Amino acid sequence: AQSVAQPEDQVNVAEGNPLTVKCTYSVSGNPYLFWYVQYPNRGLQFLLKYITGDNLVKGSYGFEAEFNKSQTSFHLKKPSALVSDSALYFCAVRDRGGSYIPTFGRGTSLIVHP
Amino acid sequence: EAQVTQNPRYLITVTGKKLTVTCSQNMNHEYMSWYRQDPGLGLRQIYYSMNVEVTDKGDVPEGYKVSRKEKRNFPLILESPSPNQTSLYFCASSSPGQETQYFGPGTRLLVL
Repeated sequence: AQSVAQPEDQVNVAEGNPLTVKCTYSVSGNPYLFWYVQYPNRGLQFLLKYITGDNLVKGSYGFEAEFNKSQTSFHLKKPSALVSDSALYFCAVRDRGGSYIPTFGRGTSLIVHP
Repeated sequence: EAQVTQNPRYLITVTGKKLTVTCSQNMNHEYMSWYRQDPGLGLRQIYYSMNVEVTDKGDVPEGYKVSRKEKRNFPLILESPSPNQTSLYFCASSSPGQETQYFGPGTRLLVL
């Protein structure tokens, strides 16, 4: 079975400050991990993914995430937040030895204040 | 342009009136799936398809049907909609090995 948890419903950060959106996962085997972003009235857009290799993954719009196997986490980070980063962020996981389709978290609303 | 399209984008219907939401992708992807998005619950998988004529239930399949007769199309059928199926629905596609899912723009459904 595969599951993912996003412990924060909402994250508030001031523009220019670093941001972190948390994600932890559970799989039987090894994971594929993803972050997607949803802007208001839009579909989900891919941000970044961890498949294998370097634990630090860089993605679109200056976002990055670090795969931590011991803590089963894949937190999304950005060094300097922009107001335009305000959106709903989804973490997803797929067990390489299991389902062919990923499981998504509940989503975290990121609000960046001017 | 590579894309996933859904129709209709908005739909208001009444309980029990059968409806179909279409989904089409132009990327020759093998995998397609349907999700519903509800406040506080995130995205939940309804059905998915590995390829033509191969479909399987997701986490919340009750009240829904799907078919995959062609690779590009994956319609979602509500035989007898009920108010608890009021939701925002997303179709997505991907290919094995690539892993990235491409999402449609969403269909907002209201069942009265």
